[in-house]
Formats: sequence, C-alpha cells, structure tokens
Amino acid sequence: KAGVTQTPRYLIKTRGQQVTLSCSPISGHRSVSWYQQTPGQGLQFLFEYFSETQRNKGNFPGRFSGRQFSNSRSEMNVSTLELGDSALYLCASAGEAYEQYFGPGTRLTVT
Amino acid sequence: AQSVTQPDIHITVSEGASLELRCNYSYGATPYLFWYVQSPGQGLQLLLKYFSGDTLVQGIKGFEAEFKRSQSSFNLRKPSVHWSDAAEYFCAVGASVTGGGNKLTFGTGTQLKVEL
Repeated sequence: KAGVTQTPRYLIKTRGQQVTLSCSPISGHRSVSWYQQTPGQGLQFLFEYFSETQRNKGNFPGRFSGRQFSNSRSEMNVSTLELGDSALYLCASAGEAYEQYFGPGTRLTVT
Repeated sequence: AQSVTQPDIHITVSEGASLELRCNYSYGATPYLFWYVQSPGQGLQLLLKYFSGDTLVQGIKGFEAEFKRSQSSFNLRKPSVHWSDAAEYFCAVGASVTGGGNKLTFGTGTQLKVEL
C-alpha cells in the first residue's frame, strides 16, 4: 500500500498570506489528523477529520482550519500567516485501529 | 489531560551497545502508547505500539518496549544499536476522546547519537 502523501513538501510564504496544504491518506483510512512541529513547541495536535467531519480539535487559533473530502483526502488552511507559523506540518492517517501513520510533512517557512 | 515526559533530551551510545530510552506518561485510564522515530527532514515512522495484553511489545528494526503500569512508563530498548539508528525518538500517548477518534500527545523527543 502506498503511504501517506503530502504536498507540497516545501513552501515559502510572506506574512499575511494564506496557505493550503494537502494530504492523501493511506487507501482505506478514513481518519486524517494534522500536527504542527516546531523546535520550541514540539509536536502539537491541530485537528482530526473523519468521514468529512472534524472530530477533534487542538488549541490553535481559528486561522487554522481544515476539511476532508469524500475520498478522505484532507486539506489544511492557514490564513493571515504569522512568522510563528513556520513549522513542519505533518499529516497522519489511521484506519480502524488507533495507530497513526505519518506522511513526510510540509515544511512551511513564513518570511 | 494526558501528558508524556521524555527526561533525556540527548543520548549518545556506541555502536553495538544497548539502548534504553525513557518515557513516562500521565493518563487516567489505560492508554494507547506508541514510539515513533524521525530522521532529519522526514516524517514520523511508527516503531511499535501498546494497546493491551502482553506488556512487552516488539517493534520494527529490533526495538522493543515494556509497559509498566505501576511506574507509568513505556521505555524503549534495543540490545545492540546500529549507526543507522541515529535519529530522534518520540514517545506518544493516544487517548480515545469523547465522540470517537483519538489524538496523540507527544513527548519532547530524545535525540540519539551513535558513536562509531
């Protein structure tokens, strides 16, 4: 089975812009979660989508949003980018069990 | 709320030596426990998991971990480290949340360096 794929792998944006990141889960997985990884805060949970519905949400401002499509692919959007949003954004998919499989991540740099 | 502590930020071992990475968790019920490994610029790879049953679990790449409820620990071990094991290791706890699904809470990670 193909693993979790994320696009793009690298992105450079300017403060105030918005960005959309994409994640394709493992075939058959209906749960997609997003995490932010930074040197200062470590790995933090953003949100989880299951069957096109947001099922869980972390403690991030409303500028961070996401959605999931009927084929389980998910997108994450960050509006009004701030310098502190520079991070590695990781997507993980899960099947019926609780184990999550991660993609390679999207490295976002905000200048 | 659940939490995970990895007390060792950096560990250096010689190739061929044994390894133990510590992980302590805080969670009210029986947790789901995981170890992940991350190489520079890469995503996280699942090494092993504990859900229930046998407290000693085997994973990939020769790693194993032991769940000790009395100590709230889930330490990762490997009898003989290879230079390719150099990476950052994350312990995580997953908890079933209201409404279904789960989210992972990660420790701060342990950076492993292997000396040749």
